[in-house]
Amino acid sequence: AQTVTQSQPEMSVQEAETVTLSCTYDTSESDYYLFWYKQPPSRQMILVIRQEAYKQQNATENRFSVNFQKAAKSFSLKISDSQLGDAAMYFCARRSDQGAQKLVFGQGTRLTINP
Amino acid sequence: NAGVTQTPKFQVLKTGQSMTLQCAQDMNHEYMSWYRQDPGMGLRLIHYSVGAGITDQGEVPNGYNVSRSTTEDFPLRLLSAAPSQTSVYFCASSYSRRLSNNEQFFGPGTRLTVL
Repeated sequence: AQTVTQSQPEMSVQEAETVTLSCTYDTSESDYYLFWYKQPPSRQMILVIRQEAYKQQNATENRFSVNFQKAAKSFSLKISDSQLGDAAMYFCARRSDQGAQKLVFGQGTRLTINP
Repeated sequence: NAGVTQTPKFQVLKTGQSMTLQCAQDMNHEYMSWYRQDPGMGLRLIHYSVGAGITDQGEVPNGYNVSRSTTEDFPLRLLSAAPSQTSVYFCASSYSRRLSNNEQFFGPGTRLTVL
């Protein structure tokens, strides 16, 4: 099975500091998509950032950026200037470029922001 | 647009009972899917559909049935509920165009408890 692994079940960071969440994945494909989703206590799944595997440039969305290392199959999320509202579960996910848009998720990382 | 809606938000069943989780979207999305979320395991794909009249199994399909008679609706049926089906269920939808990093939109989830 092609898997996505998040090795950090929990992380914490001081408000205004920077934190990096790790994600590695397994795939035999050359083209695919990677995503980070945020799940606050409301349970709603919110897309944070996405990366196309064929793009070498790392994606950025305001305070959120990724470090995409295709050869190493690594896709980490960096949150800069952490805010209390960033506290949530974060899920890394991979989607195949082939056919149906099935997402494979990692186990999740619970991020706590300390004031 | 209401986006992706799910009903009910919470449900308690007894072992052996049947029920249907409802999912609807008003964005004319071709692709719809059901995931379950269990602690420490992220989200796992149950069933998915690439269009009306077409469904297929995901990673964990046993004990669940689906149908897609319209583009808008994608109900998930539990034929004989078991305690192992206690979980949070998410419905998601997206456009289904290859070579496009389509975002999947998630519903608010249904928390199901089977006693």
